[in-house]
This record gives sequence, structure tokens and C-alpha cells, in this order.
Amino acid sequence: NAGVTQTPKFRILKIGQSMTLQCTQDMNHNYMYWYRQDPGMGLKLIYYSVGAGITDKGEVPNGYNVSRSTTEDFPLRLELAAPSQTSVYFCASRPGLGQETQYFGPGTRLLVL
Amino acid sequence: RKEVEQDPGPFNVPEGATVAFNCTYSNSASQSFFWYRQDCRKEPKLLMSVYSSGNEDGRFTAQLNRASQYISLLIRDSKLSDSATYLCVVPPYSGGGADGLTFGKGTHLIIQP
Repeated sequence: NAGVTQTPKFRILKIGQSMTLQCTQDMNHNYMYWYRQDPGMGLKLIYYSVGAGITDKGEVPNGYNVSRSTTEDFPLRLELAAPSQTSVYFCASRPGLGQETQYFGPGTRLLVL
Repeated sequence: RKEVEQDPGPFNVPEGATVAFNCTYSNSASQSFFWYRQDCRKEPKLLMSVYSSGNEDGRFTAQLNRASQYISLLIRDSKLSDSATYLCVVPPYSGGGADGLTFGKGTHLIIQP
């Protein structure tokens, strides 16, 4: 059982470049989340989705976009990378209402230079 | 008061000792609470849930004090493998919502041989 998988594991971007962070879960979970974690800080919510075709902003959405075309996939798009987006990005999922435990992917480390 | 506050530590504790740390939260409507464990450069993983006054799982005990709005984590007979960062996690809703979790910055625990 793969759980939540993320690709790539690590990426270096130049300022202004764009990229998509991939997230896939095979647990048929309805809810999916994107967090970022800066060094020495807690995780902050970027975007979340309650099902295919439905997304909503979290605490720090600026500079990012998401889509949810299937239950399994929840990609995160960075359009114009900035040094402030250097961080570790975690994708997570949970089954749905009443089931609050979130399951995290291994993370993507992004460095913007 | 910040939403979720933790003492960042580090807590340096000899192997076999008992260690406890607290987390305070600001949302009095929260009904459930979590402790996640995060190893260096890894994703957070659920350690314990706390839904009422407390929860015990082997060497780990989590307690909730609603009046003072804090939860605690007690680790008995600490092992070298307990070295990690412990994240206090509070859902931002009173129940039934899809919003992401609110994370504390974590308490860093180092168990010394």
C-alpha cells in the first residue's frame, strides 16, 4: 500500500521558473491538503480539496495554484518561483468528515535561487 | 495568544527518564487534539489522538485540560528512538469541517545515552 506519494523529492528552481509538485494517494480519501514547512516552523496550509473538482485556499495560498481532477491526484503549481517559496512541501490526505487523522507524503524539498 | 504554542526546546533527556511537555491552544471550540511525531527531514506521523480528558498508549500519555486550554505529552522510560520533534496539532474547527490542521512549531526532544 503506497499511501501518499510525492514527486519530485528535491528540486532546485531559478527565480521566475515554474513547476508542478505531484501528489497521489491510493487510499480513496476525499480530502487532500498541501502544507509548507519552513525551517524551525510549523506546517502552514496552502490549499485543500474536499473532492474532485473542489478546492479552497488555506492560510498561505499566494503564489500557488491547485487542481483536483481526480480523487487520487492533487498537484500544486508554482507559476513564478520566488526565494520565499524555498521550503519543504507536504501533501496529506484523510478519508473525510469524522475521520480526522491526516496521512502525509514524504515531502518535496524545493530550493529557489 | 497564538493559535498553538509549544516550547521549542531542545529537551535533552537521559535514556530511561520521564519527560513531559505542554502545548497551549487558543480555539476553545476545538474538540479533538493530536500529537504528531516528526523525525528529521521526514513527514509528520500521528502519535496520539486526544478526544476527552486523555489517552494512554504504552509509554506515552496525552492529557487535555480544557479549562486552561492545554494538552500535554508524557513519555516514560524514554528510548533513544524517541528523539524527534513532537508537533501539537489542533483542528481549527469545532467539528465536522474539512479545514487543514493547525500545527505548533514543535518541541525538539533529544534522548541521550
